[in-house]
Amino acid sequence: AQSVAQPEDQVNVAEGNPLTVKCTYSVSGNPYLFWYVQYPNRGLQFLLKYITGDNLVKGSYGFEAEFNKSQTSFHLKKPSALVSDSALYFCAVRDKGTDKLIFGTGTRLQVFP
Amino acid sequence: NAGVTQTPKFQVLKTGQSMTLQCAQDMNHEYMSWYRQDPGMGLRLIHYSVGAGITDQGEVPNGYNVSRSTTEDFPLRLLSAAPSQTSVYFCASSPRDTSTDTQYFGPGTRLTVL
Repeated sequence: AQSVAQPEDQVNVAEGNPLTVKCTYSVSGNPYLFWYVQYPNRGLQFLLKYITGDNLVKGSYGFEAEFNKSQTSFHLKKPSALVSDSALYFCAVRDKGTDKLIFGTGTRLQVFP
Repeated sequence: NAGVTQTPKFQVLKTGQSMTLQCAQDMNHEYMSWYRQDPGMGLRLIHYSVGAGITDQGEVPNGYNVSRSTTEDFPLRLLSAAPSQTSVYFCASSPRDTSTDTQYFGPGTRLTVL
């Protein structure tokens, strides 16, 4: 079965510092991977996706993610964190057999001024 | 273009009551789905639809019914509410190419069952 894991419930970072939110996946074949963000009391918003091609994917709000096949990881990164980046971040993988989107448990990012 | 809309935003039910959560999208998307979000469990798929007249079960379908009579609407029905159904419910839609296309989420419905 396809799955993703987000090993950290919460990540704390100071404003201006680089941030990383971790995601590892378990799939058969080539994965379709996504990152979504949820701001308080809002629905999820798409950030970026990896389907094929360049391993470094750039997305919205200055975020990027690196697909690493050997480590089965798809970590979300940003060079300089903003307080406004504080939110809940979800990694997801598309189950190619059913086309369903399978979400991780989420990581809460807290950026301190 | 309103995207994906959900009503109501908040709802309190008593055990055993029934209700319908409404979801509509104006992007002519074929694929629609319902998720519930619970602390520490991420989002879990309840039901989904790949087009009008076609629905299928997700990961946690028990206690919920859906129908898809039009492309735009995908209501979720709770037949007999239980406290275990207290959750935040999200509706989402995406174009036909569900393998690579992103999903667009509604703002959510926060449901409490007493």
